[in-house]
Amino acid sequence: NAGVTQTPKFQVLKTGQSMTLQCAQDMNHEYMSWYRQDPGMGLRLIHYSVGAGITDQGEVPNGYNVSRSTTEDFPLRLLSAAPSQTSVYFCASSLLLNGNYGYTFGSGTRLTVV
Amino acid sequence: RKEVEQDPGPFNVPEGATVAFNCTYSNSASQSFFWYRQDCRKEPKLLMSVYSSGNEDGRFTAQLNRASQYISLLIRDSKLSDSATYLCVVNTDKLIFGTGTRLQVFP
Repeated sequence: NAGVTQTPKFQVLKTGQSMTLQCAQDMNHEYMSWYRQDPGMGLRLIHYSVGAGITDQGEVPNGYNVSRSTTEDFPLRLLSAAPSQTSVYFCASSLLLNGNYGYTFGSGTRLTVV
Repeated sequence: RKEVEQDPGPFNVPEGATVAFNCTYSNSASQSFFWYRQDCRKEPKLLMSVYSSGNEDGRFTAQLNRASQYISLLIRDSKLSDSATYLCVVNTDKLIFGTGTRLQVFP
């Protein structure tokens, strides 16, 4: 049981490049989400999904796309990377939307855009 | 005003000390409350849920005051391994994270 697996762990992009951050969970969780964490800002919700085929925007969705074709996978796409997207990205999943059973986080992706 | 506010610290305390963290939230419709722990350069992990009646888990005690929209976490008999950042988390229709309070326990 791997929990939530994020890849890659580290990435450096040039401004304007695109890439996909991968997230997979093997706990059969319906709810999955992407957060970014910046110093002094806390974790901010980018996009989330309450089940396969359903996605919605969080607090800071601009510049990011998501899809949820299976229960297990929830990739995050950066369309045209900008230095403002330099951050640590966490994927999280939960049995329930309200998080009462806790959110399980992946180990994070450290992204630098130059 | 931020939806969830915490004192960023750092709180520097000796081993064995008792330390308390506070958190306030702005949305009175918030439904559930949590404390998460985050070690340096690691992912957040659920420490405990916070219930209206207050709840305890070993050396950790959490309290909720809905009238004042205030949450607290008390750590007794601090250990070196308690050094981390503690995140206050509030659920409205999704989880809102505070920026965290950093705790450093020294020998």
